[in-house]
Amino acid sequence: NAGVTQTPKFRILKIGQSMTLQCTQDMNHNYMYWYRQDPGMGLKLIYYSVGAGITDKGEVPNGYNVSRSTTEDFPLRLELAAPSQTSVYFCASNRPAYEQYFGPGTRLTVT
Amino acid sequence: SQELEQSPQSLIVQEGKNLTINCTSSKTLYGLYWYKQKYGEGLIFLMMLQKGGEEKSHEKITAKLDEKKQQSSLHITASQPSHAGIYLCGADMDSGGSNYKLTFGKGTLLTVNP
Repeated sequence: NAGVTQTPKFRILKIGQSMTLQCTQDMNHNYMYWYRQDPGMGLKLIYYSVGAGITDKGEVPNGYNVSRSTTEDFPLRLELAAPSQTSVYFCASNRPAYEQYFGPGTRLTVT
Repeated sequence: SQELEQSPQSLIVQEGKNLTINCTSSKTLYGLYWYKQKYGEGLIFLMMLQKGGEEKSHEKITAKLDEKKQQSSLHITASQPSHAGIYLCGADMDSGGSNYKLTFGKGTLLTVNP
């Protein structure tokens, strides 16, 4: 199993541009998540999904959108990128009541 | 205010020394998860605790969840340079044990000097 994979690993965006961060898991997990990690701030939940077709907001959803059309994929869309969205983004997945598995992260800089 | 407090924020120890990292919540925890992160990389799962009083060990790392399920400690015995990294605690405080909404602490940066 590849586990949780994320693309791209690095990206630089200009203010106002849009992009999609890709996340795929091959463990047939129902639950998937997007977090952002800012220096010294731990992880903040952006959006999560408990199954295909079901998504919900986390703690910091503004400026982001998600979709979950399949069990495997959970893309995160940034519209009109802002410098405040400069961060490291992690995707994770799990089965209910079990630990979350994390991807390697995407380092995004908005200038 | 931070719902999950980790202490200390950073720690520098000499190789071979023991150390403890704490994670404290203002709410009852349905599950407590310890992760380790190396700079620029993803999170590696260490241990999961769910029952009050539970204690788990793996190699030289021991984690405990107190009886009231509001505090956890991570203890490393005879630290090695390979233990260096950021330790994060994550807690299920809202999803009743289903673990679909974790709250994370800010992390503890551990440096082990040879």
